[in-house]
Amino acid sequence: NAGVTQTPKFRILKIGQSMTLQCTQDMNHNYMYWYRQDPGMGLKLIYYSVGAGITDKGEVPNGYNVSRSTTEDFPLRLELAAPSQTSVYFCASSNPQDREPYGYTFGSGTRLTVV
Amino acid sequence: EDQVTQSPEALRLQEGESSSLNCSYTVSGLRGLFWYRQDPGKGPEFLFTLYSAGEEKEKERLKATLTKKESFLHITAPKPEDSATYLCAVQAWGNKLTFGTGTQLKVEL
Repeated sequence: NAGVTQTPKFRILKIGQSMTLQCTQDMNHNYMYWYRQDPGMGLKLIYYSVGAGITDKGEVPNGYNVSRSTTEDFPLRLELAAPSQTSVYFCASSNPQDREPYGYTFGSGTRLTVV
Repeated sequence: EDQVTQSPEALRLQEGESSSLNCSYTVSGLRGLFWYRQDPGKGPEFLFTLYSAGEEKEKERLKATLTKKESFLHITAPKPEDSATYLCAVQAWGNKLTFGTGTQLKVEL
């Protein structure tokens, strides 16, 4: 049981380039999330999805896009990368129907640097 | 707006020296308070969920408690392998979590 898998683990982008961060989960969770984590700032929600075909913005959605065509996959797209998008990105999933554990399952993260 | 404040930002303990981490929160309608452990270069790992004031949960050397305004993560006789960043998060209506900035714990021999 792999849980939440993120690829790539590391990436360096030049300003203006685009890329997609991949996230897949094998727990049949309906809910999926993208967070970014910056030093001293905590985890900030970018986008989330409550099921295939349904997505919504979080706290910091500008500069990002998502899609959810299947239950398993929730890719995050960066268009026209900017230095402010340098961060560690985490994908997570959850199933609100589960009583315990009720928390999120996180992937291991993608460290992105924009130069 | 939901808010979570964790203190201290960093804590250095000697092995065996017990202490507590604090998580203060303001939320409209708490559905759950979560504690996570995060090791360097890894994603957060779920530890506990607390649902109502007065609730306590334990796991090995860790015990989490909850009041109406704050939660404590008590660490009893810590070992070097307990060194990590501990994150607190709250959940209101909906399924989104609001995270604190974490407490970085270092346990030395």
